[in-house]
Amino acid sequence: SQKIEQNSEALNIQEGKTATLTCNYTNYSPAYLQWYRQDPGRGPVFLLLIRENEKEKRKERLKVTFDTTLKQSLFHITASQPADSATYLCALDNTGGFKTIFGAGTRLFVKA
Amino acid sequence: NAGVTQTPKFQVLKTGQSMTLQCAQDMNHEYMSWYRQDPGMGLRLIHYSVGAGITDQGEVPNGYNVSRSTTEDFPLRLLSAAPSQTSVYFCASSYSGGLTLAGTGELFFGEGSRLTVL
Repeated sequence: SQKIEQNSEALNIQEGKTATLTCNYTNYSPAYLQWYRQDPGRGPVFLLLIRENEKEKRKERLKVTFDTTLKQSLFHITASQPADSATYLCALDNTGGFKTIFGAGTRLFVKA
Repeated sequence: NAGVTQTPKFQVLKTGQSMTLQCAQDMNHEYMSWYRQDPGMGLRLIHYSVGAGITDQGEVPNGYNVSRSTTEDFPLRLLSAAPSQTSVYFCASSYSGGLTLAGTGELFFGEGSRLTVL
């Protein structure tokens, strides 16, 4: 069956450092991979998308890489801030948005 | 724009009771879906719809019904609530052009409905 794995352990980093989160998947051929941010008690919010034929995508302090051979994506937040503390969800889709599958998320804590 | 609106935000049910979680979006999105989120398990797809009158099952459909009579609304019905249905439920919508070069497949989520079944 399809499976997305994200590090279940929380990631604790110091302000100003780069946070790196990992997403691995099996038994799936995604057209694209997305990253979402979820704050406690709130719904997930879309951050960015990378397509199957792209290796890297950047948006402000965010960078995503996508390796379809390794079936892995890395999500980087540079110059991290306490406001970046949240849970980050990895998502895969090949339907255009009606059967997106999600990982369980990684909790990030950024200490001042 | 309100985006995706879910009601109620909180609900407590007794085993065997039925109820409907409401979801409405004002973005004219064709695609809508319902997920449940449980600790350590991530978001799991319950049912989805690709347009008015068209619905289908997701990964965990048992115990739930949906209908889509309009583009805007996509209610989720719990037929006979069980403690295993205690969860946080999220409704999401997306633009149907998500796989095009201009699309992102971005899902817009509501704020969630926290359901406890005793």
